[in-house]
Amino acid sequence: DAKTTQPTSMDCAEGRAANLPCNHSTISGNEYVYWYRQIHSQGPQYIIHGLKNNETNEMASLIITEDRKSSTLILPHATLRDTAVYYCIVRVARTGANNLFFGTGTRLTVIP
Amino acid sequence: SAVISQKPSRDICQRGTSLTIQCQVDSQVTMMFWYRQQPGQSLTLIATANQGSEATYESGFVIDKFPISRPNLTFSTLTVSNLSPEDSSIYLCSVTAQGHYPSHNEQFFGPGTRLTVL
Repeated sequence: DAKTTQPTSMDCAEGRAANLPCNHSTISGNEYVYWYRQIHSQGPQYIIHGLKNNETNEMASLIITEDRKSSTLILPHATLRDTAVYYCIVRVARTGANNLFFGTGTRLTVIP
Repeated sequence: SAVISQKPSRDICQRGTSLTIQCQVDSQVTMMFWYRQQPGQSLTLIATANQGSEATYESGFVIDKFPISRPNLTFSTLTVSNLSPEDSSIYLCSVTAQGHYPSHNEQFFGPGTRLTVL
């Protein structure tokens, strides 16, 4: 699975959009971009994933560049409860052994 | 989706003892995964537990230190043996199950077990 690079930490004002970047320059054609987050003292939680098209769900939007070498997770209106570590993971989507390999992630702090 | 519970939620153990962590899932799953999260660090995969066969361990983790049982499709245990302070971590159980999209399996995580070794 391809490696990812994320900033160590970011701050965002409450109510503003949080834009979390991720570089995955060695991503393969069949690898998806997944985002998970881990709120303090909880297990990681799935947010969103995509292959090459931009995706949006009730939690966030995922913007993937045309060359697929980087992506941005967007939380449109950050709240204090969005304070967490956000992990960008790239891997082949498949059934069965879908274990995830986590990098260091970005610690997002939403400031009142 | 899958709802995962772990027992105990936390424990404090003495050096040289062992702790067994239980993981219970509300649905039948083929594979279960055990992760370790050391203080201030990211998650590291320890092993994959298949029902009816021996667990598959990642590099740096061995069965003698982290024996795993998988007696059925909804339950697994991880034992951390011969404890030392370096084993102080959060241990998380995880499974793959259908999530938001029918063509993709998501990975779901338990709340974790916080182990402190004195």
